[in-house]
Amino acid sequence: EDKVVQSPLSLVVHEGDTVTLNCSYEVTNFRSLLWYKQEKKAPTFLFMLTSSGIEKKSGRLSSILDKKELFSILNITATQTGDSAVYLCAVGDIQGAQKLVFGQGTRLTINP
Amino acid sequence: GAVVSQHPSRVICKSGTSVKIECRSLDFQATTMFWYRQFPKKSLMLMATSNEGSKATYEQGVEKDKFLINHASLTLSTLTVTSAHPEDSSFYICSARDYTGGDRNYGYTFGSGTRLTVV
Repeated sequence: EDKVVQSPLSLVVHEGDTVTLNCSYEVTNFRSLLWYKQEKKAPTFLFMLTSSGIEKKSGRLSSILDKKELFSILNITATQTGDSAVYLCAVGDIQGAQKLVFGQGTRLTINP
Repeated sequence: GAVVSQHPSRVICKSGTSVKIECRSLDFQATTMFWYRQFPKKSLMLMATSNEGSKATYEQGVEKDKFLINHASLTLSTLTVTSAHPEDSSFYICSARDYTGGDRNYGYTFGSGTRLTVV
């Protein structure tokens, strides 16, 4: 059974800190790994990673994938209170409908 | 970019009644849609994969007679929660695959979700 595990489950930091969120996976037919940010409603897309070692960057957020060790990290530098959210990692399989399997999420709280 | 409209955003119903949730792809054709359920402070759990013109594929442990999925057209999938009970109260989210390319979500566009409360 495909599995995605995120850590930590919860994280509280002060504004300005840098955080690293982790995602490890066990998937039979890996296609891609996606990161989402969820505030109150539906998840919003952050990154999609398919190749090892290539960092994706968007402003203060960056992410990288290690397909050998089966994990990914999401970094947020100079955190702001608006970064408070649940960050979800999902892995897409290569077969059939290419469904996504989600991890449990990391609840990030940024205190002023 | 690709947009998925989900309706209603919030619904309260009495125990024993049925509730229908709609998921529409507004500017693309979605041959495949996914239905997720999310409990408070938990992640998204895939319930079923909905394929246009054919039966949905349900994940293990999801009752297909309770959660009826219909994907009659390339732009609409519906989830009907039949004979709802309080334990069905949850946040339901749909997602559609856009194969046309050029979508920054790389093919997975989410609806805004439906919060169902069964009283």
